[in-house]
Formats: sequence, structure tokens, C-alpha cells
Amino acid sequence: SQQGEEDPQALSIQEGENATMNCSYKTSINNLQWYRQNSGRGLVHLILIRSNEREKHSGRLRVTLDTSKKSSSLLITASRAADTASYFCATALRAAGNKLTFGGGTRVLVKP
Amino acid sequence: DTGVSQNPRHKITKRGQNVTFRCDPISEHNRLYWYRQTLGQGPEFLTYFQNEAQLEKSRLLSDRFSAERPKGSFSTLEIQRTEQGDSAMYLCASSPGGLAASDTQYFGPGTRLTVL
Repeated sequence: SQQGEEDPQALSIQEGENATMNCSYKTSINNLQWYRQNSGRGLVHLILIRSNEREKHSGRLRVTLDTSKKSSSLLITASRAADTASYFCATALRAAGNKLTFGGGTRVLVKP
Repeated sequence: DTGVSQNPRHKITKRGQNVTFRCDPISEHNRLYWYRQTLGQGPEFLTYFQNEAQLEKSRLLSDRFSAERPKGSFSTLEIQRTEQGDSAMYLCASSPGGLAASDTQYFGPGTRLTVL
């Protein structure tokens, strides 16, 4: 079963705009990871944020984590057509073997 | 580092047939995970290995499914007597494992199974 919800389910923006998507989860975690998936392909790891971190940056990506609200957000700044993909958050707990529990994903379309 | 590889990339089979998928993880990665993803959904955990030991199996993994990692390197996932509901993308991921190692999982390209 899915860990939680991602919001929005779909997002359409113009190239150059920022894209923000949110993820909520239900249980305790050690870390939360964001992945990108292009249509019909495997998942590409974007960024990992640990439960004791509140914000992390990687290039045009900014991730926040609020463990009190059990939520995370992913911001993609200055989006490009190549950012068109589905984005998934996934949570992990070391005591549970670090298996990933995914949300349902946000489908992002960046129009040139 | 050649990444995680999976074979075949696509498999079409008739209902009732057996299929086997292979996953080659990143070398020296101790942990290997299998996930299943249906259209429009996020991946769901199936099972994972620490070296050659299978440590957990999801309830999604019915008796028709079996996974092995005989020498702690590559892994196979076999589905017996396939059903149309088995149609999905099967994803494999590996991670270094160990106390001080990264928790990041690296995914292969997946095997897309279609059961007719």
C-alpha cells in the first residue's frame, strides 16, 4: 500500500517557472527520498533528506521536510522542458530494512 | 560503476506461463530490492536481500512468486502460472547497505511484463 499522498497529482507549467509538489506520509521515518521517472522508464534518484534535516539543496532542487507534520516538499526552480516527468517521494525506516514506501507521484509537464 | 541492469526489458507472455527476470546490482552493493509498479501508481515493495539472505517478503508476493540471490550478487524473480493481474513494471534497486553506508537506492530500468 502507498505510504501517503502527493499533491498535486498533476502539474502543468511554462518553461522557466518554478514547480512545487508536496508529499505527506503516515509513519516514522529515517529519511525521505525524491525520485524522477520519465515515461515508462526506471527511477532516477534526485535527493535524500534525513529525518533530522529540515532543508536540502541540490542544483535547481530544494527539498524541505517537516517531521511534525509528516510532510515534505520538492521545489524545482527555473524549470526546463527536460524536467517533464513523474516525481515520487519515498520514505524509509532503517528498522524496516530501508525498504522504500512510495507516494502516488506528481506528473509534471513543462511546456516550452 | 555500470549501474543496476535488468533483463529482459520487456516480456510478453500468455496467461499460465512462467517467467523469470534477472537483476544485476551495482557491484559491492549488499542490499537488493524488488518493487512492482502498475500504470499510474508509485512502486510497491515486494522483497529484499541482504547479501544472499532474503530478509522480508511483502504480502503482495503470493506463492506464485519466488526470488533468489544465490551468491549475493545477481538476483532472479520468477512468477509461476502468470495471471493478467501480474502485468506491471518490475523494478530492481540496490544500495550499499551496512551501518555507515548510504541509504540511497539505485534503480534499474525495469522489466515490463505483459500477460495476455
